[in-house]
Amino acid sequence: KNQVEQSPQSLIILEGKNCTLQCNYTVSPFSNLRWYKQDTGRGPVSLTIMTFSENTKSNGRYTATLDADTKQSSLHITASQLSDSASYICVVSVSGQAGTALIFGKGTTLSVSS
Amino acid sequence: KAGVTQTPRYLIKTRGQQVTLSCSPISGHRSVSWYQQTPGQGLQFLFEYFSETQRNKGNFPGRFSGRQFSNSRSEMNVSTLELGDSALYLCASSSSGRRANYGYTFGSGTRLTVV
Repeated sequence: KNQVEQSPQSLIILEGKNCTLQCNYTVSPFSNLRWYKQDTGRGPVSLTIMTFSENTKSNGRYTATLDADTKQSSLHITASQLSDSASYICVVSVSGQAGTALIFGKGTTLSVSS
Repeated sequence: KAGVTQTPRYLIKTRGQQVTLSCSPISGHRSVSWYQQTPGQGLQFLFEYFSETQRNKGNFPGRFSGRQFSNSRSEMNVSTLELGDSALYLCASSSSGRRANYGYTFGSGTRLTVV
């Protein structure tokens, strides 16, 4: 069964600190992995997208890593800001004859406090 | 360029009623997919349309249906609403054909409350 699991479920950190969010997946056939940031009441916004051959991708203070062998990804946030408070969702794409399906993790809720 | 537009933003309906939600994709995008988001289940895939044809369908009852028009705009309909249908409904557009490495751009969603 295709699954994406994220940890931790929630996280509280102080402004300026770094943090790392985890994503483990059992998806086949794997196509790519995306990280999204979702502010409360808004739609998800793409942070990074990585294919099978990519190990690391950065977007400003956000750096995503992918280990296709262990089927793990992480999202590292550097020097956190209050505006980083949001839900971070890991999404894995599965491609087949019928097209593409997105498998979503349930997200990690990050709260950054001053 | 304009993003993905979903209307209405908020909606309150009574059990048993039906509702239609609208999604206008980014200009030039031919793929529109719909998702239900609830606190307990997270984001769940409803269906995807490409060039007016339903290409993929998630595991939802037949009360949930959709369609796509020739201008790529899409509508989602839920009939005989239940309290459990209360959720944020999101649509996403993509320029992809069958390739998967295109970005998906989400709208801000429609918050549906069933009372």
